Amino acid sequence: NAGVTQTPKFQVLKTGQSMTLQCAQDMNHEYMSWYRQDPGMGLRLIHYSVGAGITDQGEVPNGYNVSRSTTEDFPLRLLSAAPSQTSVYFCASTNDRGGNQPQHFGDGTRLSIL
Amino acid sequence: AQKITQTQPGMFVQEKEAVTLDCTYDTSDPSYGLFWYKQPSSGEMIFLIYQGSYDQQNATEGRYSLNFQKARKSANLVISASQLGDSAMYFCAMISPNFGNEKLTFGTGTRLTIIP
Repeated sequence: NAGVTQTPKFQVLKTGQSMTLQCAQDMNHEYMSWYRQDPGMGLRLIHYSVGAGITDQGEVPNGYNVSRSTTEDFPLRLLSAAPSQTSVYFCASTNDRGGNQPQHFGDGTRLSIL
Repeated sequence: AQKITQTQPGMFVQEKEAVTLDCTYDTSDPSYGLFWYKQPSSGEMIFLIYQGSYDQQNATEGRYSLNFQKARKSANLVISASQLGDSAMYFCAMISPNFGNEKLTFGTGTRLTIIP
């Protein structure tokens, strides 16, 4: 059981480039989220999805797009990379909107923007 | 709005001693959930323990327990008999219905170092 799989694990981009961070889960979870982790700031929510075809913004959505065409996949797109987007990105999923079950996290993508 | 505060940026503890990591929270929702996650140096986020706001007893999971004091809005993590493998970052997080149960709010974390 793979859980939540994120690819790539590491990526270096130049300012202005675009790229997509991939996230896939095999647990048939309805709810998926993207967080970014910056030093001293904990994890902050970028975008989330409550099911296929439904997405919404989190705390820090600017510069990122998401889509959810299937239950399994929730890619995060950087439209025009900026140095401020250098961070570690985590994808998470859960199947319990009642809040009793934890979110399952992927291993993260470490992204550097030059 | 909801907020998590972790006031200990770093802690050093002797091996085999008990550890308490502080977490206070703020929310206007009567119903909420509190989580603790461990992040070792390898970077993954590992779920440790959960406490619901209506749970009558403090949550326990092996060597981990949550000291939940609702009136003080605190949810401290207690690790008994610490081990070298407990060295990691620890994050407190919460959810609430009005904020969206699928969305976690995290504290800034505490870096725990266990000394042999």
